[in-house]
Amino acid sequence: AQTVTQSQPEMSVQEAETVTLSCTYDTSENNYYLFWYKQPPSRQMILVIRQEAYKQQNATENRFSVNFQKAAKSFSLKISDSQLGDTAMYFCAFIYSNSGYALNFGKGTSLLVTP
Amino acid sequence: EAGVVQSPRYKIIEKKQPVAFWCNPISGHNTLYWYRQNLGQGPELLIRYENEEAVDDSQLPKDRFSAERLKGVDSTLKIQPAELGDSAVYLCASSRRDGHVYTQYFGPGTRLTVL
Repeated sequence: AQTVTQSQPEMSVQEAETVTLSCTYDTSENNYYLFWYKQPPSRQMILVIRQEAYKQQNATENRFSVNFQKAAKSFSLKISDSQLGDTAMYFCAFIYSNSGYALNFGKGTSLLVTP
Repeated sequence: EAGVVQSPRYKIIEKKQPVAFWCNPISGHNTLYWYRQNLGQGPELLIRYENEEAVDDSQLPKDRFSAERLKGVDSTLKIQPAELGDSAVYLCASSRRDGHVYTQYFGPGTRLTVL
């Protein structure tokens, strides 16, 4: 079974600062994909960033980047220059193979960005 | 392109009543998912469709839940009769292949409250 663990239930960061959200996962698969989704209070689950496990280079999307450590099974999300609109629940998710299988989600980290 | 559409956004019913949720996926997305998200948790898969075929319904409580995806486009998820424990957000997602990975895009969800 695949499991995803987010050890930080809540985090807070000041506007313009940098914050890192942690995620670890457990799998025996070699070909898999990792995602970070953002869920604001409006509930719409929005894709933030994704990483293919076979790629050594860490994914980057504007202010969002990941630190993917395959051997340690760690997949952290770094948000630079935090903005008030980044306030949301952040979910780490895992899927194995490249088919249309279901995502395995962690329990989420609630991020609050303060002025 | 238009996103995943779900209706209604909110539903309040009394226990033992029936309820139905509707989802219209992104055009051209063959795979459709229904997830249930309990308070403070990440989403968990209920059922996955490939076109009109349910290919993974192992987590669907079949005694009271049913789903259909006619013509491989819109989908309906039904609960009959509803129980107090069914209170949750029901998320619909659809996916397409982006390069080597299937990326899932979510609708805004339906928040169900069973009294």
